[in-house]
Amino acid sequence: EAGVTQSPTHLIKTRGQQATLRCSPISGHTSVYWYQQALGLGLQFLLWYDEGEERNRGNFPPRFSGRQVPNSSSELNVNALELEDSALYLCASRQWGAVETQYFGPGTRLLVL
Amino acid sequence: ELKVEQNPLFLSMQEGKNYTIYCNYSTTSDRLYWYRQDPGKSLESLFVLLSNGAVKQEGRLMASLDTKARLSTLHITAAVHDLSATYFCAVDNPTQGGSEKLVFGKGTKLTVNP
Repeated sequence: EAGVTQSPTHLIKTRGQQATLRCSPISGHTSVYWYQQALGLGLQFLLWYDEGEERNRGNFPPRFSGRQVPNSSSELNVNALELEDSALYLCASRQWGAVETQYFGPGTRLLVL
Repeated sequence: ELKVEQNPLFLSMQEGKNYTIYCNYSTTSDRLYWYRQDPGKSLESLFVLLSNGAVKQEGRLMASLDTKARLSTLHITAAVHDLSATYFCAVDNPTQGGSEKLVFGKGTKLTVNP
């Protein structure tokens, strides 16, 4: 069974640009979660989508947004990039309501210059 | 607000030794997860602990959960170099308005020396 996939693996942008990160969950999983792992800040929850709707978001500004399409794949968009947005962005999936672990993808490493 | 604290944050140990990593959390939860992260890699699930007194073991690692004390431990037995990685505990907080976000500890960077 294929795991969670993310693209691209690496992304280099300049300050002020926009970045789009993509995630495909494990087949059958409807919930997709996004986390940011920035140096010195640890792993922080960004967004949770299920059945096409945003269910919860972390303490991030509105320029962090996303969507989930009917096949449960998800995009994370970061507008007006700032230097401190440089981080590893991890996507995870799980069946909503399940108590099993969230399964994480390999991540997208975003570098903002 | 749910807070998760791990200690120690850094752990250097010799092969063959035993040690325990501690994970404390601030509010009631009965879902605790342990993950491993190798440098530059994603998170690998190690254990899922869902009830008070739960104990799970895999190889040289054993995790336990005490929901009354809001404490989980990850015990390492007879460490080997391959266990060198960063270990995270995370707590799910499903009672908070339907939130199912994971709140992570800062991680314990384990180095096992020959």
